[in-house]
Amino acid sequence: KQEVTQIPAALSVPEGENLVLNCSFTDSAIYNLQWFRQDPGKGLTSLLLIQSSQREQTSGRLNASLDKSSGRSTLYIAASQPGDSATYLCAVSPLSGNTPLVFGKGTRLSVIA
Amino acid sequence: GAVVSQHPSWVICKSGTSVKIECRSLDFQATTMFWYRQFPKQSLMLMATSNEGSKATYEQGVEKDKFLINHASLTLSTLTVTSAHPEDSSFYICSAPRQNYGYTFGSGTRLTVV
Repeated sequence: KQEVTQIPAALSVPEGENLVLNCSFTDSAIYNLQWFRQDPGKGLTSLLLIQSSQREQTSGRLNASLDKSSGRSTLYIAASQPGDSATYLCAVSPLSGNTPLVFGKGTRLSVIA
Repeated sequence: GAVVSQHPSWVICKSGTSVKIECRSLDFQATTMFWYRQFPKQSLMLMATSNEGSKATYEQGVEKDKFLINHASLTLSTLTVTSAHPEDSSFYICSAPRQNYGYTFGSGTRLTVV
């Protein structure tokens, strides 16, 4: 059974700092990996989607990497801003299509001005 | 893109009444829709999977007669909370997968039963 772990559970950094969020999964047979952001009381916003054949994806100040063989992904946030404060969720989709995502418990990020 | 529109964003209802939550895929056909609930400061909990034109599959412990799911078209899935009680108060979110776009989530519905 696939399990996704995110470390750390919470992180507080001063504005401007670069940071890395970690995600690991137990079964390397995944279709893709997705990073989401959730603000309090809101739905999930997709940040980056990494297909299983890809190693990384970038969007603005965000860069996500995927090492499928070791079951790891990282989300790198450059020059953090207070507006980046949110819960970041890592999720993997199994190989069989149209099955639910398996989520980590998230990293709660606070960027202090 | 891949957009799922969810309505209402919040609703307050009296105990014993029913509430319907809608999720529409705006720019793609969603053959599958996942329904989640989330309690404050907790993770998303999968409630059920709906497939267009067939009966929904419910997770263990979720009452199918209480949480009615309909997926009658490729762009609309609904969740009806029947005979709502205060313990049903929660945040409900839908999600649909789309090839090459990953999974898209609705904006969520905050249900408060008084």
